[in-house]
Amino acid sequence: SQQGEEDPQALSIQEGENATMNCSYKTSINNLQWYRQNSGRGLVHLILIRSNEREKHSGRLRVTLDTSKKSSSLLITASRAADTASYFCATRSMDMGRRALTFGSGTRLQVQP
Amino acid sequence: DTGVSQDPRHKITKRGQNVTFRCDPISEHNRLYWYRQTLGQGPEFLTYFQNEAQLEKSRLLSDRFSAERPKGSFSTLEIQRTEQGDSAMYLCASSPLAGASEQYFGPGTRLTVT
Repeated sequence: SQQGEEDPQALSIQEGENATMNCSYKTSINNLQWYRQNSGRGLVHLILIRSNEREKHSGRLRVTLDTSKKSSSLLITASRAADTASYFCATRSMDMGRRALTFGSGTRLQVQP
Repeated sequence: DTGVSQDPRHKITKRGQNVTFRCDPISEHNRLYWYRQTLGQGPEFLTYFQNEAQLEKSRLLSDRFSAERPKGSFSTLEIQRTEQGDSAMYLCASSPLAGASEQYFGPGTRLTVT
């Protein structure tokens, strides 16, 4: 079963605008990761934030994590047409014996040129 | 291209047939994972290997599903007596023993059961 929900389910913006996607999860986590998936392809890891971190940056990506609200957000700044893809958050359990990632349902981002 | 390869990329089979998929992880990665993804959903975990040991299995992995990683390198996922509900993308991922939890995904095998 999915860990939680992502919001919005779909987002359409113009090139150059910022895109914000939100993720909620249900259980205590070790870390939260964001992945991108182009249509019909495998997933590509974007960024990882640990449970004791509140914000992380990587290039045009900014991730926040609020463990008290069990939520995270991914901000993509100055979007490009090439950013068009589905974006998934994935959580790793606090149980160090478990390696499985639990994914959200994803946000489909369309960036119009 | 992450370096994880999967074969075949597409498989069409009739209900009741058996199918087998192969995954070749990044060569130095000890950990290997299988996920299933249906249209419009995120991937769902199926099973995880560390070297040749299968350490974690999801309840989704019914007795019709079996996975192996006999020499700790490539892995196979077999589905017996396929059902239409098995139609999905089957994704393989790998990760090294050390370091963070990020996983490197292959392109997937799309299974269609008719």
